[in-house]
Parts: sequence; structure tokens; C-alpha cells
Amino acid sequence: QVQIQQWGAGLLKPSETLSLTCTVHGGSFSRYFWAWIRQSPGKGLEWIGEINHLGSTKYNPSIKSGVTVSIDTSKSQVSLRLTSVTVADTALYFCAREQLGCSGGSCYLDYWGQGSLVTVAS
Amino acid sequence: QSVLTQPPSVSGAPGQRVTISCTGSSSNIGRGYDVHWYQHLPGNAPKLLIYSDTNRPSGVSDRFSGSKSGTSASLVVTGLQADDEADYYCQSYDESLRGGVFGGGTKLTVL
Repeated sequence: QVQIQQWGAGLLKPSETLSLTCTVHGGSFSRYFWAWIRQSPGKGLEWIGEINHLGSTKYNPSIKSGVTVSIDTSKSQVSLRLTSVTVADTALYFCAREQLGCSGGSCYLDYWGQGSLVTVAS
Repeated sequence: QSVLTQPPSVSGAPGQRVTISCTGSSSNIGRGYDVHWYQHLPGNAPKLLIYSDTNRPSGVSDRFSGSKSGTSASLVVTGLQADDEADYYCQSYDESLRGGVFGGGTKLTVL
């Protein structure tokens, strides 16, 4: 069984940098793409970006620049970094595994972390 | 505003059947891209419920079913149970936006 454990973030001030990490337990980490998704207050889900074990990334063109997804295959970890955050970046952030053999946002997400709440306020 | 449109809420009594719609456009669902559905209980990890329009992952109750037609998709829940009360989201791919898109979510209330 695959388990995704997330940690990081909390309360940030505008212009600070958001950093989140998830560790994957179980499954074949290097066979999949790993995605970050967020849920802003009162809004639906938004796909942020993805990465595979080779470091190949793709990001949502609708999201501003400053987003970086990185991977550490030796630790089965995926990280999200978002610079110069604003109040609009306040959200619950999820790390999730994408469908095997798929990438680019059309994939289903079969395992999710529990979410990390990030609040941006001055 | 989400690219895929879902009703904010639906409700039904225990044992009843409810349908949650997910309306897109010719650049996503109407283009034939797969639709996936998730169940989310706040505080928990979202759960994949239906993938590729109509398929249930192992372990998901057959009370949940999905369908797609034209620019819309639907999730049907039959035999409503109290623990079905959750938020439900649809997901697809949008060609114009070149990325994955989600619906705004539907809160299912079991009366």
C-alpha cells in the first residue's frame, strides 16, 4: 500500500517562499510522475505541476512563475517551492501520485497525501 | 471560476440515488479527454473514485458509477449511506489550457 506523508509550510508572510515536501512509502517510486495540487479556500482543486524520477517537470501555465517541483529519489521525496507568495497562494496543498504511464495533467491521481495547509497573511 | 462546472451541493436521503454533474466544453470533456472523480472528506486524503469516465478502482463500492456524454460527465451514487457525505470533484484535461483541470466540487449531504 502506498502512503504519502506531507510536511512543511504553515503561516507565511507575503513575499516569503513556500516549501513543502512529501515522502512516499511503498510502491515503485521511480515508475511514476508525482504531482502537486492545491485547494484554495472556497474554491476547487488546481493542478500545479508534476515531476518524474529523471527530474522531468511540467507546470500549469495558468499559475504564475516561481513554482519549482523537485525530486530526491534516494529518499522517495518530492518537493514544492513557490517564491514570492501572496494571499492568493493561501491553500491546502496536496502531493499525489499520477496514473502509471501518464503525465501532463490528464492522468488520474491514485494516491494522495493528507494535505498541508498554507496560510499567507501579513 | 473552475473550468469544469459542478453543482455546489446535492442531497439525498439514505438509500436514495443522487447524480453529480460535471460540465465542460469542447476543449476538455467534449474533446474526448478522460474524466476522473474523487471523494474528499475534509481532513483526509482525497480518494480516487472513478477513473477514465467509467472505471472503479479496486475496493471502491459498485454503488458509485460514472458516465460521459458530449461535453458533460456524471457521477451516480446509489443506495446513499451516511458515510457518503463528502465533497466530490471531477477532473479532466483541457487542450486550450494545456493542463489538468478540476471541477469546483460538489458537497453531498445525506439527509
